[in-house]
Amino acid sequence: KNEVEQSPQNLTAQEGEFITINCSYSVGISALHWLQQHPGGGIVSLFMLSSGKKKHGRLIATINIQEKHSSLHITASHPRDSAVYICAVLNRDDKIIFGKGTRLHILP
Amino acid sequence: GAGVSQSPRYKVAKRGQDVALRCDPISGHVSLFWYQQALGQGPEFLTYFQNEAQLDKSGLPSDRFFAERPEGSVSTLKIQRTQQEDSAVYLCASSPKPVFYEQYFGPGTRLTVT
Repeated sequence: KNEVEQSPQNLTAQEGEFITINCSYSVGISALHWLQQHPGGGIVSLFMLSSGKKKHGRLIATINIQEKHSSLHITASHPRDSAVYICAVLNRDDKIIFGKGTRLHILP
Repeated sequence: GAGVSQSPRYKVAKRGQDVALRCDPISGHVSLFWYQQALGQGPEFLTYFQNEAQLDKSGLPSDRFFAERPEGSVSTLKIQRTQQEDSAVYLCASSPKPVFYEQYFGPGTRLTVT
């Protein structure tokens, strides 16, 4: 079993829908990151969380440390949000562990 | 300003060839990371430099993989005697801080071993 699991693996939705991507992890962590990877490989850091909730524009990220779970939400989704969203955790030994990513496709 | 750049963007190597992949981090960034991303998978950590010191190379899959950052800026990831399983995208990231905070990723080098 992977230490970082994301669901769903693939998600197709209509423009305007509310999107939720989930990340569960099995190790103790000091921080969790959500990353966005566009076709062609470029990765952009969206959020770093150690507790609570963060919001940036239409993106919201939450983390529940007790349940070892984080969610990334996208409100009013748009085709330009189509990308792979990757959850990554920094464990107690400062090792970075990535999830396999969720491939999101927003249809116009 | 310029972001992280990597070269070449694409590399095709025949099995058994040596390859060298270059990463130019953002100027002044102390930390530099190399990751390997197989098709359809998330990135996996390879190695980490703080300035010129290679502090963690635990993710390098074999002794055929070697990384250096001799002057604390540009880094090279070298793969000797390439194998088909080495085919992947190799991502470089740099950070102004130690460890995994505020990482800025390069576009990656896609290596195909035939």
